[in-house]
Amino acid sequence: GIQVEQSPPDLILQEGANSTLRCNFSDSVNNLQWFHQNPWGQLINLFYIPSGTKQNGRLSATTVATERYSLLYISSSQTTDSGVYFCAVGGTDSWGKLQFGAGTQVVVTP
Amino acid sequence: NAGVTQTPKFRVLKTGQSMTLLCAQDMNHEYMYWYRQDPGMGLRLIHYSVGEGTTAKGEVPDGYNVSRLKKQNFLLGLESAAPSQTSVYFCASSRLAGYEQYFGPGTRLTVT
Repeated sequence: GIQVEQSPPDLILQEGANSTLRCNFSDSVNNLQWFHQNPWGQLINLFYIPSGTKQNGRLSATTVATERYSLLYISSSQTTDSGVYFCAVGGTDSWGKLQFGAGTQVVVTP
Repeated sequence: NAGVTQTPKFRVLKTGQSMTLLCAQDMNHEYMYWYRQDPGMGLRLIHYSVGEGTTAKGEVPDGYNVSRLKKQNFLLGLESAAPSQTSVYFCASSRLAGYEQYFGPGTRLTVT
């Protein structure tokens, strides 16, 4: 199956700082999603981005499918951005199944 | 639109007991999935369905059974619960393969 590696594993930010999270994957994909899991365990869809660039408020994401990586940018971080960020990918022959990375734990301090 | 809902939200079982988790979606999606999440890890796929009446095994299917008798519902069963099945279970659905998956709120299961 597809291997998904996320970096860094942990990130501590001061409120207002910017950060970049990375997701590398080992094969061609037709689905890539970024999720935020909040401290209550809820999974929140951030981006569906198998290719290209998208922005939603202070968050943006870029996927370069030919080079097999995706980046999630957090600008002007807030304490509510704390939680775990997951990248998940679906291969072209995967019947839609998502393979999740191990996540990046983000802590934003006031 | 409720999206994806899961019942129950929490459950405690004794070893050997059985239970069924219910997932329902109101988006008319063809594909549905069950994942489990263990502490400090990403989600892993248990079983999935590509349409009403179909099911298939995922990465960690042992100890679980599933059924998709109606398009909007996907049931996950544990016939004889084991402590290793203590986890948070997430259901998801998508229109088709390669489309965005939408996740339910999760069910926290503890097996003692």
